[in-house]
Amino acid sequence: GDSVTQMEGPVTLSEEAFLTINCTYTATGYPSLFWYVQYPGEGLQLLLKATKADDKGSNKGFEATYRKETTSFHLEKGSVQVSDSAVYFCALNFNKFYFGSGTKLNVKP
Amino acid sequence: GAGVSQSPRYKVAKRGQDVALRCDPISGHVSLFWYQQALGQGPEFLTYFQNEAQLDKSGLPSDRFFAERPEGSVSTLKIQRTQQEDSAVYLCASIKTSGTLFNEQFFGPGTRLTVL
Repeated sequence: GDSVTQMEGPVTLSEEAFLTINCTYTATGYPSLFWYVQYPGEGLQLLLKATKADDKGSNKGFEATYRKETTSFHLEKGSVQVSDSAVYFCALNFNKFYFGSGTKLNVKP
Repeated sequence: GAGVSQSPRYKVAKRGQDVALRCDPISGHVSLFWYQQALGQGPEFLTYFQNEAQLDKSGLPSDRFFAERPEGSVSTLKIQRTQQEDSAVYLCASIKTSGTLFNEQFFGPGTRLTVL
């Protein structure tokens, strides 16, 4: 069945460090791919999305490219800030939405 | 505020009690989803409505779980005879259209259910 696997956390980085959170997926068709973010005390909100192979989603300095050949949608940011500390969820949607287990990011000043 | 709202935000139930969790989606949103999120995990799909029609309930873990959306707006998730394994955060999300493949879900803050 469809599923999403993302790297376990927590990930702890210093401010201005480079971030990568790995996400791979299994899908029977051609899903849309999403990254959602949950800031402390808040609900999930969409960070970025890509709807077909080779699409790049981007928002707030974060990027992710839909790689069909490696079934991946890794999240990257060139320079993280303390305010990026949150839990990040990779998700796919084909017939229904499937979420990864989340990766907690801690950014220290 | 025009976001998705859920009530109550916190619910403590004794094992065996029935509970009802409410979701108010964004006004006019056609699609509505319920998810269960266990501690340290991602949301897991429970059920999906398009207007008042429940099109997919394959994620409901047992027949103790029941969801409805009778007028195509507010939805209620009911859990009968609660068990400790039902303890989780229950999330509601809505999408503006019936076409869900490419579109953003807007999530509510969730209801944290604790079953003692």
